[in-house]
Amino acid sequence: SQKIEQNSEALNIQEGKTATLTCNYTNYSPAYLQWYRQDPGRGPVFLLLIRENEKEKRKERLKVTFDTTLKQSLFHITASQPADSATYLCALQTRTGFQKLVFGTGTRLLVSP
Amino acid sequence: EPEVTQTPSHQVTQMGQEVILRCVPISNHLYFYWYRQILGQKVEFLVSFYNNEISEKSEIFDDQFSVERPDGSNFTLKIRSTKLEDSAMYFCASSPGQGVDTQYFGPGTRLTVL
Repeated sequence: SQKIEQNSEALNIQEGKTATLTCNYTNYSPAYLQWYRQDPGRGPVFLLLIRENEKEKRKERLKVTFDTTLKQSLFHITASQPADSATYLCALQTRTGFQKLVFGTGTRLLVSP
Repeated sequence: EPEVTQTPSHQVTQMGQEVILRCVPISNHLYFYWYRQILGQKVEFLVSFYNNEISEKSEIFDDQFSVERPDGSNFTLKIRSTKLEDSAMYFCASSPGQGVDTQYFGPGTRLTVL
C-alpha cells in the first residue's frame, strides 16, 4: 500500500540547533516533493519544493534533500528559533495526479529558548 | 500580499443539513482545490477545479459533495446532507498555473456536524 511517513513524535530541540525532519514514502513515484508549515488551527504554508532530479534545495535557513533511491526527503532548519515551532508537513505530487498534494501526517517541532 | 480567504471560519450544523463553504482564491490563479483535515489526522485532497470543471477528485469526494465557481471570484464547496464524519477543517487552496505550482492555502473553515 502507499504510505507517506513522518515521525509522529514531536521533535524537541534547543534554540540555535539544527532541526532535521524526515519524510519516507513507499509505493509512490513522486515527481515533486514539497514541505509545508502548519500552525494550530491554520492552513498549510508552502516552504520549499524539490523536483525528482534535484538532490538538494536551500532557502535561507531551510534545506531540503531528496533521495529517490532511499525514497526519503530530509528537511533541515538551521539556527532554529522558538518561532520555528510548528508542525511540518511533507507532500508528494506524482506525474499522473500532479495536481493534488498527498500529505504526510506531519511532525511537530518544538524549539525551546 | 494576496491571500486565499474562507468564510465562515466555523460552521455548526445538524446532521442531514446542507452546508456551503465559501472561498475567495487569489485573483489571478487558475487552479482551485479543496482539502480537508479531520482533527489529529493528515490533510486529505478532495477535489481540484480548472476552467470551470473538476479536473481531479478523490474517493472522499462522492455524490454528496459538489463544487462551483458561481462568479469570477468565489469558489464554493457544498455538502448536501452532512454526516457526523464530515466534521473537519476544510481548506481551500489555489495555484497560479499548472498543479506543480505552489498551492496557497486559506485559513480553513471548521465544520462541526452534530
